[in-house]
Amino acid sequence: QVQLVQSGAEVKKPGASVKVSCEASGYTFTTYYKHWLRQAPGQGLEWMGMINPSDGSTSYAQNFQGRVTMTRDTSTSTVYMELTSLRSEDTAVYYCARSYGAVHFDSWGQGTLLTVSS
Amino acid sequence: EIVLTQSPGTLSLSPGERATLSCRASQSVSYRYLAWYQQKPGQAPRLLIYGASSRATGIPDRFSGSGSGTDFTLTISRLEPEDFAVYYCQQYGSSPLTFGGGTKVEIK
Repeated sequence: QVQLVQSGAEVKKPGASVKVSCEASGYTFTTYYKHWLRQAPGQGLEWMGMINPSDGSTSYAQNFQGRVTMTRDTSTSTVYMELTSLRSEDTAVYYCARSYGAVHFDSWGQGTLLTVSS
Repeated sequence: EIVLTQSPGTLSLSPGERATLSCRASQSVSYRYLAWYQQKPGQAPRLLIYGASSRATGIPDRFSGSGSGTDFTLTISRLEPEDFAVYYCQQYGSSPLTFGGGTKVEIK
């Protein structure tokens, strides 16, 4: 069955960087786009950007341009999201999700809690 | 950027009742590229509806979606205990992809 398994919770200080991973299994890795989204405590969902695992091309939401980098490793079917210059407002659960073609998300990772605190 | 406004913010209903959730877009959503998700506490969202009215794999037929342009609706025909959750709409007709603020369906 399709699984997206994310790395564990992180605690970072303001100004630091974080890199979260998402390992896919149960389907052909390069067939589906991967997206990163986040959800601040008690808040709604925010799309951060996406990566095409086939060629590594990316598209980022304007809110995160310059601070986010998404990469992939086809040998391990893993995508990564790195967020730099962290601030307290980045405290959230970060999700990876996949899409095929039209961009709705049919499978999600379990989420990774990032806490940014001094 | 397309802004999605969901209403009501909270819906208090009893099991067996019908739930009608609204999602209004600030501009027309291309090709009816509108999805609905269900999220329970501590869990990732789950896709219910895509293309405004197509049910995702394994979703019971008590869930239905309708609408086009700027007005979309998710209907749960008869609420089951497991349906009490938060529901989000999402548009993917234009970038950036955006979500509504959510509707919480709670037990009355």
